[in-house]
Amino acid sequence: QVTLKESGPVLVKPTETLTLTCTVSGFSLSNVRMGVSWIRQPPGKALEWLAHIFSDGDKSYSPSLKSRLTISRDTSKSQVVLTMTNMDPVDTATYYCARLYCSRSSCYNQFDYWGQGTLVTISS
Amino acid sequence: DIQMTQSPSSLSASVGDRVTITCRASQSISSYLNWYQQKPGKAPNLLIYAASSLQSGVPSRFSGSGSGTDFTLTITSLQPEDFATYYCLQSYSTWTFGQGTKVEMK
Repeated sequence: QVTLKESGPVLVKPTETLTLTCTVSGFSLSNVRMGVSWIRQPPGKALEWLAHIFSDGDKSYSPSLKSRLTISRDTSKSQVVLTMTNMDPVDTATYYCARLYCSRSSCYNQFDYWGQGTLVTISS
Repeated sequence: DIQMTQSPSSLSASVGDRVTITCRASQSISSYLNWYQQKPGKAPNLLIYAASSLQSGVPSRFSGSGSGTDFTLTITSLQPEDFATYYCLQSYSTWTFGQGTKVEMK
């Protein structure tokens, strides 16, 4: 059974750094056909992709947020960590992690499993 | 960056209606287009991947079409559980979501 679960602080002060952890089970972060992304959604607004880590450890970031984001993983703990620096109230959102899945025959980079999300509020 | 323009932003429909949502990419994305359904307080749920492939477990009333820059999600006979917000997602070059379409009850 594939699961992803986000964890981290509920409340962060402006200018602080946010650190979120995604703990996965039911698959390996080293599986060549998989990867994990972070995606966020401000209250009442659309989804926004943030960052991705591939099975080989390669990383990709949203161009608009690249300077503030770092994604990493600990395969032994089955965890993917996202850090976002210099937090601002506009960063208040539900943060999701999601699994990228490729079949044996093709890869369309879709996210097939998502965590439940964690709401992070930025406020002093 | 690839931009995704989704329309309409909202629509009102009745149970049994045929519903169509469109998504346009700012450049060709081949068939790297996915559709998600999201209900309030829940994570998105994958409906369609590769523009027209139905995700396992998703009812056959959902279908997707298109390639290149223009894509469509169709719900052939809207059911009560289908009232939700729908998002397209391009996965050709990194990832970009559309702005969402809220399907409301008429």
